[in-house]
Amino acid sequence: GQQLNQSPQSMFIQEGEDVSMNCTSSSIFNTWLWYKQDPGEGPVLLIALYKAGELTSNGRLTAQFGITRKDSFLNISASIPSDVGIYFCAGQLYGGATNKLIFGTGTLLAVQP
Amino acid sequence: DVKVTQSSRYLVKRTGEKVFLECVQDMDHENMFWYRQDPGLGLRLIYFSYDVKMKEKGDIPEGYSVSREKKERFSLILESASTNQTSMYLCASSLAGGSYNSPLHFGNGTRLTVT
Repeated sequence: GQQLNQSPQSMFIQEGEDVSMNCTSSSIFNTWLWYKQDPGEGPVLLIALYKAGELTSNGRLTAQFGITRKDSFLNISASIPSDVGIYFCAGQLYGGATNKLIFGTGTLLAVQP
Repeated sequence: DVKVTQSSRYLVKRTGEKVFLECVQDMDHENMFWYRQDPGLGLRLIYFSYDVKMKEKGDIPEGYSVSREKKERFSLILESASTNQTSMYLCASSLAGGSYNSPLHFGNGTRLTVT
């Protein structure tokens, strides 16, 4: 099945640093989503992007829908220890009876206080 | 708040056993999904269902089956568990497809070990 290329695979940073991660695909998508998975829990939606070129913020998080519709970026500013977790991008194509998502391989973020 | 509940957090089963993973959601969502999560591979879709008694194969359905007899409940079945099915299994639900405002809501996962 199709997967999205997500990088980096892992990041180990100091508290206060900024973080950038991205996701690329060979296919275009109508929607890009970013999820975060805290240790021991299921993924939770952080940001949804619906239009090529769109830039959306949610607190310290900023995400962009690439202009080619084949990529997306997530930035976290001034990281804090609770940012620790796995971040997943997901692309979505509309059509059919369900809104099926294709997920990225994930970026593991560790933040040292 | 949407709640997706998976019946077990941890399961240990033997090779060849029949395994049932249960998932219940309380928001009357039409769609339900089973994903498998493995390091370096992300989340891969096993099966999904968009209505009671309806099911469709995802990307990796081999070795699995599903059952959806009631709208709120979606079961994943491993007919004969094998060691390569050791993984984290995540259930999710969402409103009917095609809507901009129907994100996936995930359960906390079941970590299955097959020995």
